[in-house]
Parts: sequence; structure tokens; C-alpha cells
Amino acid sequence: GAVVSQHPSWVICKSGTSVKIECRSLDFQATTMFWYRQFPKQSLMLMATSNEGSKATYEQGVEKDKFLINHASLTLSTLTVTSAHPEDSSFYICSAYSGISYEQYFGPGTRLTVT
Amino acid sequence: AQTVTQSQPEMSVQEAETVTLSCTYDTSENNYYLFWYKQPPSRQMILVIRQEAYKQQNATENRFSVNFQKADKSFSLKISDSQLGDTAMYFCAFMKPGGGGATNKLIFGTGTLLAVQP
Repeated sequence: GAVVSQHPSWVICKSGTSVKIECRSLDFQATTMFWYRQFPKQSLMLMATSNEGSKATYEQGVEKDKFLINHASLTLSTLTVTSAHPEDSSFYICSAYSGISYEQYFGPGTRLTVT
Repeated sequence: AQTVTQSQPEMSVQEAETVTLSCTYDTSENNYYLFWYKQPPSRQMILVIRQEAYKQQNATENRFSVNFQKADKSFSLKISDSQLGDTAMYFCAFMKPGGGGATNKLIFGTGTLLAVQP
């Protein structure tokens, strides 16, 4: 099956710094990638949708200047949390969509802790 | 706007027994996809089963099957012969297929935490 990787799997950063999370589709080209945020014991909340070569579409309430998304190629999307604060601590999940089977393939997630 | 409702926050089942997880959704669309995803303690999202709305036949994947009632907008998941490895959070999700951009988004329910007891 299709494989999506995320790096890093766990990151701790100090308040005020920025952190970048990578999402890669390893064996297929992703026309669209999605970024989700998940708090403990809660559902996935869609943050933004990114298409290769174009600006990301952010969901209502998500600060686009804080959560920078770049979809540089058909296999790579990055999420940068800028000027991180403790309230940004969460589990971030990406998914990749090839458009072929109407299925999204999920990465393993990244746990971000801001101290 | 589409919504997905899972009314059972937690469920428990004995090993080898059968359990049914409920899901209802609201949409005015006629063409869409429904999914059940499993999220075990590792937090990796795993696709369990998928249903195309235009197909009347209920989808089946080994021990997992769905009861898709389009008129009632319900999409329940039945797990037969429950195994300890089925312990996970289960999310029902809706997707309206489209030509790209902001479409093809998954809309998730709040999830049902299933515990399989030995």
C-alpha cells in the first residue's frame, strides 16, 4: 500500500522558536496533502489543504501566518509552526491524496511539545 | 455543510464477540464516499473500510462490514469475531469527491473508543 512518512516523529522546542515538520509520500505522487491537528482523545481537526505549487487553503480559525505550509513537490509538504507557544503543543498528522482511489494515506504523526 | 455524528463515545466488547459502531451523517450531496478509520494506541490512522454512496451493496473487508442506509444517512460498522488488536479509536468520515483544491476533504466524526476485553 501507499506509504506516507513524517519527520520528526517527536520534537521538543522552546517557546518562541520555530519548528518544521515534513510529510513525504514515499511511493506515489500526491496531488493534495492535508494537515491535521489532534488533541488527546479527540478527533482530527483539519488545519489546511495544500496542492503542489499553489498556496495552501486554511480552515477557518487557523492562523496562516503561524502555521506555514509549503507543498514544494508532488511528494513533499512541510508545516512550519512559527514562534511556537505551549498552546501549540499537540499531535500533528499529515495525509496525502493521489486522486486515484479517493483515499487519503496518513503519516504516523508528529508529537510537538513546546516548553 | 456536511456533518458526521458518532453517538457512542466508548464501547466495550468481549473477545470473539460482535460489536456494531454507529455513525450518521448529514449532506445534501448525492455522490460521496464514507470511510471508517481505526486509530490504535500508536496513533497511526488505518483505513478499515470504504463505501461509495452510489453502490447499494454494503462493503465488506474480512471481519469488518458496514450497514449503509443512504436514505437514513447512516453508516454503521460491524466487527465480527473481535480481537484484542481491534482495540482502538474508530472514526467515521465523509468525503465529497471533487476536482481538487479544497474538495476531497475528510470530515470526521468525534470517534468511538472501542475496548476489546479478553
